Amino acid sequence: QVQLQESGPGQVKPSETLSLSCSVFGDSVSHTGFYWGWYRQTPGQGLEWIGSVDYRGTSSYSPTLKSRVTMSVDTSKNQFFLNLMSVTAADTAVYYCTRDPFLEWVLYSDYWGQGALVTVSS
Amino acid sequence: DIRMTQSPSTLSASVGDRVTITCRASQSVSAWLAWYQQKPGKAPKLLIYDASTLESGVPPRFSGSGSGTEFILTISSLQPDDIATYYCQQYNNYRTFGQGTRVDI
Repeated sequence: QVQLQESGPGQVKPSETLSLSCSVFGDSVSHTGFYWGWYRQTPGQGLEWIGSVDYRGTSSYSPTLKSRVTMSVDTSKNQFFLNLMSVTAADTAVYYCTRDPFLEWVLYSDYWGQGALVTVSS
Repeated sequence: DIRMTQSPSTLSASVGDRVTITCRASQSVSAWLAWYQQKPGKAPKLLIYDASTLESGVPPRFSGSGSGTEFILTISSLQPDDIATYYCQQYNNYRTFGQGTRVDI
């Protein structure tokens, strides 16, 4: 059974960088045919896809967030990471990590972490 | 951006009822559409992908249909465990979600 677990600070100051990691259990981040993704959810904006990355570091980002996002993978730790720069209060959300099947492009998300609330506040 | 619009926003039904939720895309997404179920405080759970393929382990009372710009999620006989919010997601061009449909009993 595949399980994903987000971890990182629950609070980030405005203008700083939000950094989250996702640990993968029951699968390998090197597994070909899958990307590893990030989403966020707010009451006002609903569910929003942030981006996805594969084990080689090949990534696809939301055009809305692309200028502030970087994603990476550490195959030795079986983890992947999200960095979101220059955060504001609008980035306050529950952040989810996911496993994303890949065909010719990234498809849906078949496994999700439990979610991590990140609040942007001074 | 491809905009996804779900209807209704909320739905109240009884146990055993047939329930349908509609999702419309602002442009064709072919069959590149998924449905998710989300319960309060939990992560979304994949129900259906490629518009009509049931994810492993999902009860067969759930089904999906449609292609192009109009899609339907059907629950053939609503159960108490189905109380949740349902989201459609297109993955034809990046990924975008509908605003959700809350199902109550």
